[in-house]
Amino acid sequence: DTGVSQNPRHKITKRGQNVTFRCDPISEHNRLYWYRQTLGQGPEFLTYFQNEAQLEKSRLLSDRFSAERPKGSFSTLEIQRTEQGDSAMYLCASSFLTSTDTQYFGPGTRLTVL
Amino acid sequence: KNQVEQSPQSLIILEGKNCTLQCNYTVSPFSNLRWYKQDTGRGPVSLTIMTFSENTKSNGRYTATLDADTKQSSLHITASQLSDSASYICVVSARTGTYKYIFGTGTRLKVLA
Repeated sequence: DTGVSQNPRHKITKRGQNVTFRCDPISEHNRLYWYRQTLGQGPEFLTYFQNEAQLEKSRLLSDRFSAERPKGSFSTLEIQRTEQGDSAMYLCASSFLTSTDTQYFGPGTRLTVL
Repeated sequence: KNQVEQSPQSLIILEGKNCTLQCNYTVSPFSNLRWYKQDTGRGPVSLTIMTFSENTKSNGRYTATLDADTKQSSLHITASQLSDSASYICVVSARTGTYKYIFGTGTRLKVLA
């Protein structure tokens, strides 16, 4: 499968715990995006990378959230001291910088904070 | 402020019927507009992309239109099937800025047998 993959697909955690999600983009894609999506809403932008550089972060990304893309390939999104409001689907997308720059999304990681 | 609004919020139709979903935007300067289909519990999948100079684009039973003057787009689904049940998200890209994608909240379509 050469699409975007995300792990784990589901994560249940207790409030206050830390969680880490991984995204593996399509191999030749140099851009990688993280989004959060709650029920009935469109994806909300969190952050994005071009190669290993984190170019922009949303104001939604509090200091409890951190993302890395150390070698310009896979990326991790960590949430520290989880809160119930963090419960959502976390989507990763990748694209190759062109005039159209179409994003290809992964299946998402569904986080439930109890 | 760059915004994308979609209507209706949700829609229920019978299998075999046609439907049209709307997307209005205020994004400027405009670069392109995409329609995505998102099945429940899955990531969005691109259906069509249109640039400023294109006013219609088809992908099988899906036809998207764009009126750049009125800043409106529509997605028309012909002869709907049960598998069309999903959320349809309109995404507009600006030509400037580092991150430049504005997402709509989507239209949830349910096709009934």
